[in-house]
Amino acid sequence: DAGVIQSPRHEVTEMGQEVTLRCKPISGHDYLFWYRQTMMRGLELLIYFNNNVPIDDSGMPEDRFSAKMPNASFSTLKIQPSEPRDSAVYFCASSLVSGVYEQYFGPGTRLTVT
Amino acid sequence: AQTVTQSQPEMSVQEAETVTLSCTYDTSESNYYLFWYKQPPSRQMILVIRQEAYKQQNATENRFSVNFQKAAKSFSLKISDSQLGDTAMYFCAFPEGGSEKLVFGKGTKLTVNP
Repeated sequence: DAGVIQSPRHEVTEMGQEVTLRCKPISGHDYLFWYRQTMMRGLELLIYFNNNVPIDDSGMPEDRFSAKMPNASFSTLKIQPSEPRDSAVYFCASSLVSGVYEQYFGPGTRLTVT
Repeated sequence: AQTVTQSQPEMSVQEAETVTLSCTYDTSESNYYLFWYKQPPSRQMILVIRQEAYKQQNATENRFSVNFQKAAKSFSLKISDSQLGDTAMYFCAFPEGGSEKLVFGKGTKLTVNP
């Protein structure tokens, strides 16, 4: 398997612009997670899905952030409008439903908002 | 709230020597998994080792082993015969409240010196 795929790997945008991050989980994995990593706050869970349904979005910082999972092989995290404080590395991870809890991470997207 | 504490922000070790990274956690669950993840400079999050709380035997993966003390809620990672490629951030993590959500520590930056 190719592992979790994220795109783009790097994104530079201006404040106020819309940003869309994309993720393809490992085939057969029923859980998908979006994380944000910064020096100040470490690794934070933003939202996670089970069988394409959002289960917990309590980590989404504000209404500017939204996430969707239209099918089992694709998810997006959108920021609109973006702000400089959104600059971070965003990770997508997936795991099996078996209760193993092991999560496999994608390579991350480094977002810079100027 | 369940927490994970890594008390060593940075550590260094000489190549071929052994180093132990500490992790303590707090949970009211009786059975759970514990994980150590590695994040090298490439920023890819990689699972190093996992431990099931109900297993008394400490997990081992090649040069990596854990010292799991359930009563003390301690889960340390021992790296034997350290290699330059072990240089990375190491994160301890466990599922929150028996859910699929992983709680991560702040990480320990390990540098292996030649």
